[in-house]
Amino acid sequence: NAGVTQTPKFRILKIGQSMTLQCTQDMNHNYMYWYRQDPGMGLKLIYYSVGAGITDKGEVPNGYNVSRSTTEDFPLRLELAAPSQTSVYFCASSPGASVNTDTQYFGPGTRLTVL
Amino acid sequence: AQSVTQPDIHITVSEGASLELRCNYSYGATPYLFWYVQSPGQGLQLLLKYFSGDTLVQGIKGFEAEFKRSQSSFNLRKPSVHWSDAAEYFCAVGGNNDMRFGAGTRLTVKP
Repeated sequence: NAGVTQTPKFRILKIGQSMTLQCTQDMNHNYMYWYRQDPGMGLKLIYYSVGAGITDKGEVPNGYNVSRSTTEDFPLRLELAAPSQTSVYFCASSPGASVNTDTQYFGPGTRLTVL
Repeated sequence: AQSVTQPDIHITVSEGASLELRCNYSYGATPYLFWYVQSPGQGLQLLLKYFSGDTLVQGIKGFEAEFKRSQSSFNLRKPSVHWSDAAEYFCAVGGNNDMRFGAGTRLTVKP
């Protein structure tokens, strides 16, 4: 049982490049989330999903896209990378039994730098 | 909109000393409150959460937190800190689809 896994661990992009951050969970959780963590700041929610085929915007969705074709996978796409997207990205999942009080389980993060 | 303030950016305590990390929140209704810990290079791990009932909540690793509605606070405490507690601690408020995190408090433990 690996929990939530994220790839890659580190990535450097040039301005305007695109990339996909991968996230997979093996806990059969319904809910999945993408957060970004900027230096000295708390996490901010980018997108979330309540099940396969269903996604919704969080607090800071601009510049990102997501899809959820399976329960296990929730990739985050950056289409035109900008320096403002330099951050650490965390994927998380939760069972979905109780939307407000479920525990979220976090992956180890992807550190992205856009130059 | 809900928000969280953690007034202390960095706290240093001696090993064996007691610890209190402060958290103040702004929320329109009954808040759902969480404390997470982040070790270097790791994702966040839930320490404890409050959503109703007893205002003193016990968590993992010997941590506890007390919800005080009158003060809009949810402070985290531990009676005796261990070196392994050195980490970043985040308070959060809200439901899972709209969770707001504080900026975090970095805990350093002196030998």
